[in-house]
Amino acid sequence: QVQLQESGPGLVKPSETLSLTCTLSGGSMNYYYWNWIRQPPGKGLEWVGYIYHSGSPKYNPSLKSRVTISLDMSKKQFSLKLSSVTAADTAVYYCARVDTVAVQDAFDIWGQGTMVTVSS
Amino acid sequence: SSELTQPPSVSASPGQTARITCSGDALPNQYTYWYQQKAGQAPVLVIYKDSERPSGIPERFSGSSSGTTATLTISGVRAGDEADYYCQSADSSGSYVFGSGTKVTVL
Repeated sequence: QVQLQESGPGLVKPSETLSLTCTLSGGSMNYYYWNWIRQPPGKGLEWVGYIYHSGSPKYNPSLKSRVTISLDMSKKQFSLKLSSVTAADTAVYYCARVDTVAVQDAFDIWGQGTMVTVSS
Repeated sequence: SSELTQPPSVSASPGQTARITCSGDALPNQYTYWYQQKAGQAPVLVIYKDSERPSGIPERFSGSSSGTTATLTISGVRAGDEADYYCQSADSSGSYVFGSGTKVTVL
C-alpha cells in the first residue's frame, strides 16, 4: 500500500524558513510528480509546487520566489523549503503524488497533512 | 494563472441529486478532477479526466464537462457524502489550480 507521511516543525517564526519532508512508503518514486499543497485554516486548497522523479521542479508563480522543492530518491523523500514566512503561510501542508498514467495527472495519493503555524 | 469558480454551498435531501459546478476559461482545453474532503481529513480523488471514477468510488459519483463548465453529480445523496468538494485543473503553463471549494450539506 502506497503511503505518504509529512514531517517537520509545527511552529516557525516569522521571517524564518519553513522546512518539511515527505516520506514515501510502499511504492516507487519513478515516473511520478511529487507535490506540496497547502490549506490555510478554514480555507481552500493551494498548490505549492512539484518535483518530477528526474529532479525538475515547478512552482506556483505566486510563491516561486520563496519556494524550493528537492528530491532524495535514495531515501524515498522529497522536501519543501519556504523562506521569509509570514502569518499568511500558516496552513496544513499536504504532500501528494500525481500519477500521469493510471489516473491521468490526478492527485491520487495524499499524506495526512501537517499543521504549520507561523508565530513568534 | 487560470481561476476555477465553484458555488460556496450546495444542499440536498437524502436520496436526491446534488450537482456542483466548476467554471474556468481553461477548461475547454484541460481535464477536470474532483476531490472530496471530509472534516479533518486529507482530500480523496473521486473523479479524474472529467468523468472517470477511480476504483473504490461509488457509481453515485459522476462527472461531465462542456465548454468552460465542469459538473460533479452525486446521485442518491447520503449523509456520508457531506463534505467539501474541490475541482482541479491545470493552466496553460502546466501549473495546477484548485477551485474555491463547495460545501455539500445533506439536509
